[in-house]
Amino acid sequence: QQKVQQSPESLIVPEGGMASLNCTSSDRNVDYFWWYRQHSGKSPKMLMSIFSNGEKEEGRFTVHLNKASLHTSLHIRDSQPSDSALYLCAAPNDTNAYKVIFGKGTHLHVLP
Amino acid sequence: NAGVIQTPRHKVTGKGQEATLWCEPISGHSAVFWYRQTIVQGLEFLTYFRNQAPIDDSGMPKERFSAQMPNQSHSTLKIQSTQPQDSAVYLCASSLTGRAETLYFGSGTRLTVL
Repeated sequence: QQKVQQSPESLIVPEGGMASLNCTSSDRNVDYFWWYRQHSGKSPKMLMSIFSNGEKEEGRFTVHLNKASLHTSLHIRDSQPSDSALYLCAAPNDTNAYKVIFGKGTHLHVLP
Repeated sequence: NAGVIQTPRHKVTGKGQEATLWCEPISGHSAVFWYRQTIVQGLEFLTYFRNQAPIDDSGMPKERFSAQMPNQSHSTLKIQSTQPQDSAVYLCASSLTGRAETLYFGSGTRLTVL
């Protein structure tokens, strides 16, 4: 059964610091990912997607994708307390691309 | 655009009772997904519809869970004979066509089974 694994489970960074979150898929056919952010008590919202090998930057957020290693990472520079949330990595199912599988997430805490 | 609407926000049932959860997808979206979120299991896929047709229900506990989409403006998830382990936040999401696209989630229904 396909798995999307995220690390670390929890991450604490000081305000202004860099947060780095990791995600891998167990399925070799997966070659694109999404990152969703879920603030406490709210529903997940798509933050960034990456479909091509390499790097994609949007403001303070950068996503990397290495298709060969089935690995994606999310980096948040100049972290703010408002970035504190659950970050979920998602990938399409190996046999059915319409079905999206989520990892268990990384809880990010940014301390003021 | 109101986004994906889920009702009720909270539902409390007794063990063995039935629970029906409602979802109204974003107008024009043809794919509707149901997920369940718990602290232990995370966000688990349950089922999805495309153009109102059930496509994949591989995540549904077969005996007591059922989902329908009678028209393009709403879907329901029904849980019969609810058990304490069914307690979770049930999230509905929709997307434009369903493939390789952003999922837009509703606010969820928190189900508590006593």
